[in-house]
Amino acid sequence: EDKVVQSPLSLVVHEGDTVTLNCSYEVTNFRSLLWYKQEKKAPTFLFMLTSSGIEKKSGRLSSILDKKELFSILNITATQTGDSAIYLCAVVTSNTGKLIFGQGTTLQVKP
Amino acid sequence: DAGVTQSPTHLIKTRGQQVTLRCSPISGHKSVSWYQQVLGQGPQFIFQYYEKEERGRENFPDRFSARQFPNYSSELNVNALLLGDSALYLCASSREVGTTGREGYTFGSGTRLTVV
Repeated sequence: EDKVVQSPLSLVVHEGDTVTLNCSYEVTNFRSLLWYKQEKKAPTFLFMLTSSGIEKKSGRLSSILDKKELFSILNITATQTGDSAIYLCAVVTSNTGKLIFGQGTTLQVKP
Repeated sequence: DAGVTQSPTHLIKTRGQQVTLRCSPISGHKSVSWYQQVLGQGPQFIFQYYEKEERGRENFPDRFSARQFPNYSSELNVNALLLGDSALYLCASSREVGTTGREGYTFGSGTRLTVV
């Protein structure tokens, strides 16, 4: 059975800290891996990763994929209170294009 | 451009009732997918529709059904509601089936369904 597992499930840090969120997967027809940020309702797109070893960066956020070890990490440096959210990892399957989500990591950044 | 719009935003129903949720995709997007997100969990795939045809379905009871209209909007219907159907129902639109990338999957803000 296809599955995506995220860790930790929740995290509390202080502003300025650096956090690393983990996502491991076992999916038969892997196409790509997506990271989303969910603050209230709609998940908003952060990164798409298809190839191993190529780091994607956007401001203080960065992510990388390891297709050999079947995991991805999302790094957030110099965290701010506005980074408080649920971070979702999802694998896109190549046959149907459906997204298989992990449970999410709830990040709380305290002032 | 309007994003993915879903209606209603909130809904309270009693057990046994039926509910219809609506989704309008981004203009130019032909595929609509529905996801159920139970509190504390990640979204779970329910259906995918493309060009008015069902292209994927997960193991949800037959009480869940959906359709897509000629204008690519979609409705999700749930019959004989159970307490366990309480969740955030998300709609995602994409230009084609399996499209990935920044433009690939755009989510609406969802419908929060509470069954009492």
